[in-house]
Amino acid sequence: AQKVTQAQTEISVVEKEDVTLDCVYETRDTTYYLFWYKQPPSGELVFLIRRNSFDEQNEISGRYSWNFQKSTSSFNFTITASQVVDSAVYFCALRRSDGGYQKVTFGTGTKLQVIP
Amino acid sequence: NAGVTQTPKFRVLKTGQSMTLLCAQDMNHEYMYWYRQDPGMGLRLIHYSVGEGTTAKGEVPDGYNVSRLKKQNFLLGLESAAPSQTSVYFCASSPTVSNQPQHFGDGTRLSIL
Repeated sequence: AQKVTQAQTEISVVEKEDVTLDCVYETRDTTYYLFWYKQPPSGELVFLIRRNSFDEQNEISGRYSWNFQKSTSSFNFTITASQVVDSAVYFCALRRSDGGYQKVTFGTGTKLQVIP
Repeated sequence: NAGVTQTPKFRVLKTGQSMTLLCAQDMNHEYMYWYRQDPGMGLRLIHYSVGEGTTAKGEVPDGYNVSRLKKQNFLLGLESAAPSQTSVYFCASSPTVSNQPQHFGDGTRLSIL
């Protein structure tokens, strides 16, 4: 069975602080994909990044960076120099890759509040 | 490019009423999904479809029915609404390739009184 755990329910930081959102997953598959989505206060879900299970290279996109560690089954998301526009709920998701329908499992989300 | 469009955006129902939520996608995706989002519970899969004419149950299918008569449309029905079905409903679609993300609609906020 698949499981995604986002233990941090809510985080508050002051603008310009760095913040890391944790994501820990469980799967028996050897090939899978991990995703992060952002849900701003307006409610829509926005895709941020995808990571393949066989590619442990970290990724940086502007102020965003992602640290994938297969050894600890974690896919953490760091925002550097946070801004008020980063205030949102962030979801981590796991999608299996075994042919046919590939189940997607979401974490319960982390609500990030950036205080000006 | 519209992507995934959900109709309606808001709705208030009385207990026992029925309604249908419509999801339309213009990306020619094979897979479509209906989720509900409740506080503290993330996104839970209600039903999904792997292609036109197919549907399957997700984690929380009770009280809902779905149909996928056309590839671009995925309908979610509530036959007899209950207060426990008050939630925000999201439709999503994705290609069959597993490394591709899901594309989500803007959500439907449904209140059952």
